[in-house]
Amino acid sequence: SQKIEQNSEALNIQEGKTATLTCNYTNYSPAYLQWYRQDPGRGPVFLLLIRENEKEKRKERLKVTFDTTLKQSLFHITASQPADSATYLCASPSKGIYFGSGTKLNVKP
Amino acid sequence: EPEVTQTPSHQVTQMGQEVILRCVPISNHLYFYWYRQILGQKVEFLVSFYNNEISEKSEIFDDQFSVERPDGSNFTLKIRSTKLEDSAMYFCASSEARDSGGWNTEAFFGQGTRLTVV
Repeated sequence: SQKIEQNSEALNIQEGKTATLTCNYTNYSPAYLQWYRQDPGRGPVFLLLIRENEKEKRKERLKVTFDTTLKQSLFHITASQPADSATYLCASPSKGIYFGSGTKLNVKP
Repeated sequence: EPEVTQTPSHQVTQMGQEVILRCVPISNHLYFYWYRQILGQKVEFLVSFYNNEISEKSEIFDDQFSVERPDGSNFTLKIRSTKLEDSAMYFCASSEARDSGGWNTEAFFGQGTRLTVV
């Protein structure tokens, strides 16, 4: 069956460093992937979308890559700040949008 | 800035009762969704709705659930005969369109309704 997987362990980094989060997918080839941010008790907020024919997408301090050979997307936050602390969700399209389990990012001052 | 609004923010119901969760999607959006998130778990897709009919549903969305767009603004999720395991945060979302390739564009989420079944 189709699976979209994220590292369930929290990622702890120091302020100012680059955070890198991983999303892997198996048994299918999504036309695109989306990344969302979710804060506790709140709904997900869209960040970026990358299509299968795009290698890289950027938005301010955010960068997403899509490697169809590795079946993987990487999400980077450069110059991380404590305000970036949240859970980051990878999402895959269908007629609905299916989410990975998310990776919690903790940025320490 | 336009937003998806959900009411109520918190609903407590007795097991076996029916509940209706309400959502007002963003006005020019055409695609509507319901998701649930059990505490500490992932956001799970329930159903998508377009052109007044269900376009996709997950295995979670069984006969206990139904959706409706009763007028031009509201989008509702009805849960019949609630069970303890239905306790979760329920999110409504909407998106403007699909692009020319048929791919979903970004989804905008409401703040959720926390359903507690006792």
